[in-house]
Amino acid sequence: QSVLTQPPSVSAAPGQKVTISCSGSSFNIGNNYVSWYQQLPGTAPKLLIYDNNKRPSGIPDRFSGSKSGTSATLGITGLQTGDEAEYYCGTWDSSLSVRFVFGTGTQVTVL
Amino acid sequence: EVQLVESGGGLVQPGGSLRLSCAASGFTFTNFGMSWIRQAPGKGLEWVSYISSNNSTMYHADSVKGRFTISRDSAKNSLYLQMNSLRAEDTALYYCARATTDTGGGSWFAPWGQGTLVTVSS
Repeated sequence: QSVLTQPPSVSAAPGQKVTISCSGSSFNIGNNYVSWYQQLPGTAPKLLIYDNNKRPSGIPDRFSGSKSGTSATLGITGLQTGDEAEYYCGTWDSSLSVRFVFGTGTQVTVL
Repeated sequence: EVQLVESGGGLVQPGGSLRLSCAASGFTFTNFGMSWIRQAPGKGLEWVSYISSNNSTMYHADSVKGRFTISRDSAKNSLYLQMNSLRAEDTALYYCARATTDTGGGSWFAPWGQGTLVTVSS
């Protein structure tokens, strides 16, 4: 059972925008930076966003991240069929012992 | 090109042991922490272990604490995961990933290897 909660799925038509929420607590998101990962079907996860809102080189600016309090959000604009994937948030957590935690994952479907 | 290649997965009986390896290339291995992350079939990501760049810090998930041990060999540019007392619930694709921590305290995993499959079954 993950301590970071994401919606199981979101969907939109090509060209539209989706947002994915990641809800945590003061033990994790509230006091740590958040990263986001994209996992295309059958492939290894890939870093999309780090330090809450920074994009690695090669990641288009259609992808954006933000954080407020104990929640983080990933936004995808100009949705493309190639964006269909599972998306995970992640951050360090210190509620029990020091550990890194991933969100429950969100499936993005392009209608 | 930064590359991580895992090996060592396979079929093992409950209670058995396995040692996973991750060969790193294309970057200065001693400058980065490393982690193991697993994904059970059809499930989400679960962080397993982390080791710092200089071996001074190691963390393990509660689910594997006391059974799994992460280590690294800088001379071989390799990361390892010794897995003992394996259980059916350890069945998963195991990824190694490079961990970056910046001066502000943020950390993230990139890149990831392609994974090695561990199946625990009798």
